[in-house]
Amino acid sequence: EVQLLESGGALVQPGGSLRLSCAASGFAFTSFAMNWVRQAPGKRLEWVSTISGSGGSSYYADSVEGRFTFSRDNSRGMLYLQMNSLRAEDTAVYYCAKVGRGYSYGYMDSWGQGTLVTVSS
Amino acid sequence: DIQMTQSPSTLSASVGDRVTITCRASQSISGWLAWYQQKPGRAPKLLIYKASSLENGVPSRFSGSGSGTEFTLSISGLQPDDFATYYCQQYNNYMNTFGQGTKLEIK
Repeated sequence: EVQLLESGGALVQPGGSLRLSCAASGFAFTSFAMNWVRQAPGKRLEWVSTISGSGGSSYYADSVEGRFTFSRDNSRGMLYLQMNSLRAEDTAVYYCAKVGRGYSYGYMDSWGQGTLVTVSS
Repeated sequence: DIQMTQSPSTLSASVGDRVTITCRASQSISGWLAWYQQKPGRAPKLLIYKASSLENGVPSRFSGSGSGTEFTLSISGLQPDDFATYYCQQYNNYMNTFGQGTKLEIK
């Protein structure tokens, strides 16, 4: 059974930094691209970033480009989202999600439970 | 970016009804569309991918159709567990985007 468990969400001040983690298990981790998707309170889902199975390629939404970095440790089954220069509009529940088999990016067939990031002074 | 627009935003229906939700893309996305169900406080759940392919374990009362810019999600014989918010997602390129959601309420 696929399991994705996010952690690291917290209250942080504007301009601050935070690192989210996602522990993955139950599937061939290195064979799948992974995503971070966020959802601000009462808002639609928003794709944040994608990383390839090898970790050699990553893509970012314009809203986080240059501030967020998505990485993975394939030896440990871990994903990380380093978030710098945080803004109030980054406040959201952040989900890690597994991309469908054979896709470099795309639909997501498994999701974690989410971790809440609040950016406020 | 490709914009995704769902209609209606809210839909009231009764158990046993058949309902249809529409998702329109601002440009052609071929068949690169997925549908998700989300309940309050929970993560989204994949229902349909590649416009019409049913995810494993999803009941057959859910079906998807469409290509290009217009897509539909249909649910036949609504069950109490189906009342939730539904989102479409395009993945024509890596900058994938979601619709604003359709909340399916009990009439």
